[in-house]
Amino acid sequence: GAVVSQHPSRVICKSGTSVKIECRSLDFQATTMFWYRQFPKKSLMLMATSNEGSKATYEQGVEKDKFLINHASLTLSTLTVTSAHPEDSSFYICSANDGGGDEQFFGPGTRLTVL
Amino acid sequence: RKEVEQDPGPFNVPEGATVAFNCTYSNSASQSFFWYRQDCRKEPKLLMSVYSSGNEDGRFTAQLNRASQYISLLIRDSKLSDSATYLCVVEGGRRALTFGSGTRLQVQP
Repeated sequence: GAVVSQHPSRVICKSGTSVKIECRSLDFQATTMFWYRQFPKKSLMLMATSNEGSKATYEQGVEKDKFLINHASLTLSTLTVTSAHPEDSSFYICSANDGGGDEQFFGPGTRLTVL
Repeated sequence: RKEVEQDPGPFNVPEGATVAFNCTYSNSASQSFFWYRQDCRKEPKLLMSVYSSGNEDGRFTAQLNRASQYISLLIRDSKLSDSATYLCVVEGGRRALTFGSGTRLQVQP
Protein backbone atom coordinates (compact mmCIF):
# COMPACT_ATOMS: atom_id res chain seq x y z
CA GLY A 1 0.00 0.00 0.00
CA ALA A 2 0.86 3.66 -0.15
CA VAL A 3 3.34 5.00 2.37
CA VAL A 4 2.99 8.05 4.56
CA SER A 5 5.83 9.19 6.78
CA GLN A 6 5.91 11.57 9.69
CA HIS A 7 8.77 13.38 11.31
CA PRO A 8 9.71 13.53 14.09
CA SER A 9 8.35 10.35 15.63
CA ARG A 10 8.78 11.73 19.10
CA VAL A 11 9.44 15.17 20.50
CA ILE A 12 9.78 16.55 23.98
CA CYS A 13 9.73 20.30 24.36
CA LYS A 14 9.40 23.00 26.95
CA SER A 15 6.17 24.85 27.48
CA GLY A 16 5.92 27.91 25.25
CA THR A 17 7.97 26.57 22.37
CA SER A 18 6.66 25.74 18.92
CA VAL A 19 6.91 22.32 17.36
CA LYS A 20 6.66 21.47 13.67
CA ILE A 21 5.50 18.04 12.52
CA GLU A 22 5.91 16.94 8.91
CA CYS A 23 3.70 14.54 7.04
CA ARG A 24 4.87 13.22 3.69
CA SER A 25 3.28 10.95 1.14
CA LEU A 26 6.25 8.99 -0.18
CA ASP A 27 4.93 7.31 -3.29
CA PHE A 28 1.83 9.24 -4.24
CA GLN A 29 0.51 12.74 -4.45
CA ALA A 30 -2.12 13.90 -2.01
CA THR A 31 -4.12 17.05 -2.58
CA THR A 32 -5.72 16.47 0.79
CA MET A 33 -4.20 15.25 4.01
CA PHE A 34 -5.80 14.96 7.41
CA TRP A 35 -4.45 15.67 10.87
CA TYR A 36 -5.73 13.73 13.85
CA ARG A 37 -4.94 13.87 17.53
CA GLN A 38 -5.24 11.00 19.98
CA PHE A 39 -5.10 11.40 23.75
CA PRO A 40 -4.22 8.36 25.88
CA LYS A 41 -6.91 5.70 25.80
CA LYS A 42 -9.08 7.91 23.61
CA SER A 43 -10.04 7.75 20.00
CA LEU A 44 -8.49 9.65 17.15
CA MET A 45 -10.11 13.03 16.68
CA LEU A 46 -9.93 14.90 13.40
CA MET A 47 -8.29 18.27 13.89
CA ALA A 48 -8.16 19.64 10.39
CA THR A 49 -8.14 18.90 6.71
CA SER A 50 -5.03 20.11 4.94
CA ASN A 51 -5.61 21.27 1.38
CA GLU A 52 -2.74 21.69 -1.05
CA GLY A 53 -2.43 25.28 -2.16
CA SER A 54 -5.24 26.61 -0.01
CA LYS A 55 -6.20 27.14 3.61
CA ALA A 56 -6.78 24.23 5.90
CA THR A 57 -10.26 23.43 7.14
CA TYR A 58 -10.38 23.18 10.91
CA GLU A 59 -12.82 21.18 12.97
CA GLN A 60 -14.93 22.89 15.58
CA GLY A 61 -12.99 23.65 18.70
CA VAL A 62 -9.55 23.48 17.06
CA GLU A 63 -7.74 26.82 17.12
CA LYS A 64 -6.29 27.61 13.74
CA ASP A 65 -3.84 30.11 15.18
CA LYS A 66 -2.48 27.51 17.56
CA PHE A 67 -2.27 24.63 15.11
CA LEU A 68 -0.83 26.08 11.93
CA ILE A 69 -1.12 23.89 8.87
CA ASN A 70 0.79 24.37 5.66
CA HIS A 71 0.29 22.13 2.65
CA ALA A 72 2.79 23.61 0.27
CA SER A 73 3.23 20.67 -2.06
CA LEU A 74 1.38 17.56 -3.16
CA THR A 75 3.53 15.39 -0.92
CA LEU A 76 4.04 17.46 2.20
CA SER A 77 1.82 18.90 4.91
CA THR A 78 3.15 20.41 8.11
CA LEU A 79 1.45 20.97 11.44
CA THR A 80 3.00 23.50 13.78
CA VAL A 81 1.89 23.52 17.38
CA THR A 82 2.58 27.07 18.47
CA SER A 83 3.33 28.02 22.05
CA ALA A 84 2.85 24.45 23.16
CA HIS A 85 1.49 23.72 26.63
CA PRO A 86 1.33 20.47 28.60
CA GLU A 87 -2.30 19.95 27.58
CA ASP A 88 -1.12 19.76 23.96
CA SER A 89 0.80 16.60 24.78
CA SER A 90 -0.73 13.97 22.56
CA PHE A 91 -0.21 11.58 19.67
CA TYR A 92 -0.55 13.46 16.38
CA ILE A 93 -1.24 11.38 13.27
CA CYS A 94 -1.67 12.40 9.66
CA SER A 95 -3.36 10.49 6.89
CA ALA A 96 -3.84 10.74 3.16
CA ASN A 97 -5.73 8.99 0.42
CA ASP A 98 -3.89 8.06 -2.76
CA GLY A 99 -6.97 8.49 -4.90
CA GLY A 100 -7.12 4.80 -5.73
CA GLY A 101 -9.87 3.78 -3.33
CA ASP A 102 -11.38 4.36 0.07
CA GLU A 103 -8.37 3.48 2.16
CA GLN A 104 -6.69 6.22 4.15
CA PHE A 105 -3.00 5.67 4.76
CA PHE A 106 -1.77 6.81 8.11
CA GLY A 107 1.62 8.09 9.09
CA PRO A 108 3.31 6.41 12.04
CA GLY A 109 2.40 9.30 14.30
CA THR A 110 4.30 11.86 16.35
CA ARG A 111 4.24 11.65 20.10
CA LEU A 112 4.49 15.14 21.56
CA THR A 113 5.30 15.70 25.20
CA VAL A 114 5.27 19.25 26.49
CA LEU A 115 6.95 19.74 29.82
CA ARG B 1 -24.39 11.37 21.65
CA LYS B 2 -21.09 10.25 20.12
CA GLU B 3 -20.98 10.00 16.35
CA VAL B 4 -19.53 6.50 16.50
CA GLU B 5 -20.06 4.35 19.57
CA GLN B 6 -18.29 1.18 20.54
CA ASP B 7 -18.06 -0.96 23.64
CA PRO B 8 -14.56 -0.20 24.95
CA GLY B 9 -14.08 -3.68 26.34
CA PRO B 10 -11.67 -5.17 27.11
CA PHE B 11 -12.69 -8.46 25.65
CA ASN B 12 -10.53 -11.20 27.13
CA VAL B 13 -10.91 -14.40 25.14
CA PRO B 14 -8.95 -17.65 24.85
CA GLU B 15 -7.14 -18.61 21.69
CA GLY B 16 -9.48 -20.17 19.18
CA ALA B 17 -12.55 -18.32 20.42
CA THR B 18 -14.96 -16.40 18.27
CA VAL B 19 -15.52 -12.81 19.28
CA ALA B 20 -17.89 -10.15 17.94
CA PHE B 21 -17.66 -6.39 18.14
CA ASN B 22 -20.50 -4.00 17.52
CA CYS B 23 -20.64 -0.35 16.61
CA THR B 24 -23.37 2.20 16.00
CA TYR B 25 -23.12 5.49 14.15
CA SER B 26 -25.34 8.53 14.27
CA ASN B 27 -24.98 10.14 10.85
CA SER B 28 -27.39 8.42 8.52
CA ALA B 29 -25.76 10.14 5.55
CA SER B 30 -22.45 8.33 6.11
CA GLN B 31 -21.31 6.47 3.05
CA SER B 32 -18.22 4.48 3.87
CA PHE B 33 -17.47 2.27 6.82
CA PHE B 34 -14.33 0.55 7.99
CA TRP B 35 -12.74 -1.45 10.72
CA TYR B 36 -9.21 -0.40 11.60
CA ARG B 37 -6.82 -2.10 13.94
CA GLN B 38 -4.53 -0.16 16.23
CA ASP B 39 -1.71 -1.68 18.20
CA CYS B 40 -0.44 0.03 21.31
CA ARG B 41 1.25 3.36 20.52
CA LYS B 42 1.05 2.75 16.78
CA GLU B 43 -0.94 4.24 13.95
CA PRO B 44 -4.23 2.61 12.90
CA LYS B 45 -4.15 0.21 9.99
CA LEU B 46 -7.07 -0.72 7.80
CA LEU B 47 -8.45 -4.15 8.60
CA MET B 48 -11.34 -4.16 6.19
CA SER B 49 -14.01 -2.06 4.58
CA VAL B 50 -17.63 -2.79 5.45
CA TYR B 51 -20.39 -3.16 2.89
CA SER B 52 -24.12 -3.67 3.15
CA SER B 53 -23.73 -7.05 1.54
CA GLY B 54 -21.23 -8.02 4.20
CA ASN B 55 -17.69 -9.06 3.50
CA GLU B 56 -15.34 -11.70 4.69
CA ASP B 57 -11.57 -11.83 4.74
CA GLY B 58 -10.24 -15.05 6.15
CA ARG B 59 -11.21 -15.22 9.81
CA PHE B 60 -12.76 -11.76 9.76
CA THR B 61 -16.34 -10.96 8.76
CA ALA B 62 -17.82 -7.48 8.72
CA GLN B 63 -21.45 -6.53 8.34
CA LEU B 64 -23.30 -3.26 7.89
CA ASN B 65 -26.95 -2.62 8.67
CA ARG B 66 -27.81 0.81 7.30
CA ALA B 67 -31.38 0.76 8.62
CA SER B 68 -30.14 0.26 12.17
CA GLN B 69 -26.92 2.24 11.61
CA TYR B 70 -25.02 -0.69 13.01
CA ILE B 71 -21.70 -2.24 12.07
CA SER B 72 -20.23 -5.48 13.30
CA LEU B 73 -16.96 -7.37 13.16
CA LEU B 74 -16.65 -11.08 13.81
CA ILE B 75 -13.30 -12.72 14.43
CA ARG B 76 -13.18 -16.50 14.30
CA ASP B 77 -10.46 -18.75 15.66
CA SER B 78 -8.78 -15.92 17.56
CA LYS B 79 -4.99 -15.80 17.53
CA LEU B 80 -2.68 -14.22 20.06
CA SER B 81 -1.66 -11.79 17.34
CA ASP B 82 -5.23 -10.52 17.10
CA SER B 83 -4.76 -8.72 20.42
CA ALA B 84 -5.21 -5.05 19.62
CA THR B 85 -7.75 -2.26 19.70
CA TYR B 86 -10.34 -2.43 16.95
CA LEU B 87 -11.64 0.90 15.72
CA CYS B 88 -14.99 1.34 14.04
CA VAL B 89 -14.60 4.12 11.50
CA VAL B 90 -17.10 6.06 9.43
CA GLU B 91 -16.27 8.36 6.56
CA GLY B 92 -18.04 11.58 7.31
CA GLY B 93 -17.61 13.37 4.04
CA ARG B 94 -14.59 15.03 2.39
CA ARG B 95 -12.86 11.70 3.07
CA ALA B 96 -12.34 12.71 6.70
CA LEU B 97 -12.79 9.81 9.09
CA THR B 98 -14.72 9.67 12.35
CA PHE B 99 -13.37 7.09 14.75
CA GLY B 100 -15.06 5.19 17.49
CA SER B 101 -13.20 5.01 20.76
CA GLY B 102 -12.14 1.46 19.99
CA THR B 103 -12.74 -1.97 21.47
CA ARG B 104 -9.79 -3.61 23.10
CA LEU B 105 -9.26 -7.31 22.48
CA GLN B 106 -6.89 -9.46 24.49
CA VAL B 107 -6.48 -13.02 23.29
CA GLN B 108 -5.02 -15.27 25.93
CA PRO B 109 -3.09 -18.52 25.52
